[in-house]
Amino acid sequence: EAQVTQNPRYLITVTGKKLTVTCSQNMNHEYMSWYRQDPGLGLRQIYYSMNVEVTDKGDVPEGYKVSRKEKRNFPLILESPSPNQTSLYFCASSLYGSSYNSPLHFGNGTRLTVT
Amino acid sequence: AQKVTQAQTEISVVEKEDVTLDCVYETRDTTYYLFWYKQPPSGELVFLIRRNSFDEQNEISGRYSWNFQKSTSSFNFTITASQVVDSAVYFCALSADQGAQKLVFGQGTRLTINP
Repeated sequence: EAQVTQNPRYLITVTGKKLTVTCSQNMNHEYMSWYRQDPGLGLRQIYYSMNVEVTDKGDVPEGYKVSRKEKRNFPLILESPSPNQTSLYFCASSLYGSSYNSPLHFGNGTRLTVT
Repeated sequence: AQKVTQAQTEISVVEKEDVTLDCVYETRDTTYYLFWYKQPPSGELVFLIRRNSFDEQNEISGRYSWNFQKSTSSFNFTITASQVVDSAVYFCALSADQGAQKLVFGQGTRLTINP
């Protein structure tokens, strides 16, 4: 089944403890992206990757890192999490980095709480 | 810059009523895509529709219909004969920037259908 898989679904951690949220897709998609969802703000893009070894900042990249060493994986890294990073995170992928011909597929989300 | 506004934060109706969710967007691009996503209580994002800026035809899918009007920069979503299972948060989103895959989301509308 074609899908975007995020892990974990739920994560509670403490301020300053490094964590990684994994994202994997099995559709051979070139484009991958991370969003965070906050009440009253909708979803905002954190980082995106047009292809392997190519990553770029979205609208809210501060406090996050990403890497794209393999086509299928796009982990989100929080080196020193803070409470304002408590949010619902979504990974997404599409065949290409353009809306013209490839819809965006979302993972099921990771709810992160930083205390 | 792109912007999407969903002015209705919460809507509550009784089952079988019709309900319209408003979406107003801003973009200077002449080519863009508009989307609606549903987020049920389980948290995942469910794709509902994608419409490109050159196609102003209204669309109907079962009890769902969408009214795209470029003259008012609106892409409204109507649920006819609402059901309890329609209860969810609904997001409108825009993709512009020469078709780049980045989605700009509205704030979301929480729809509650009461039995």
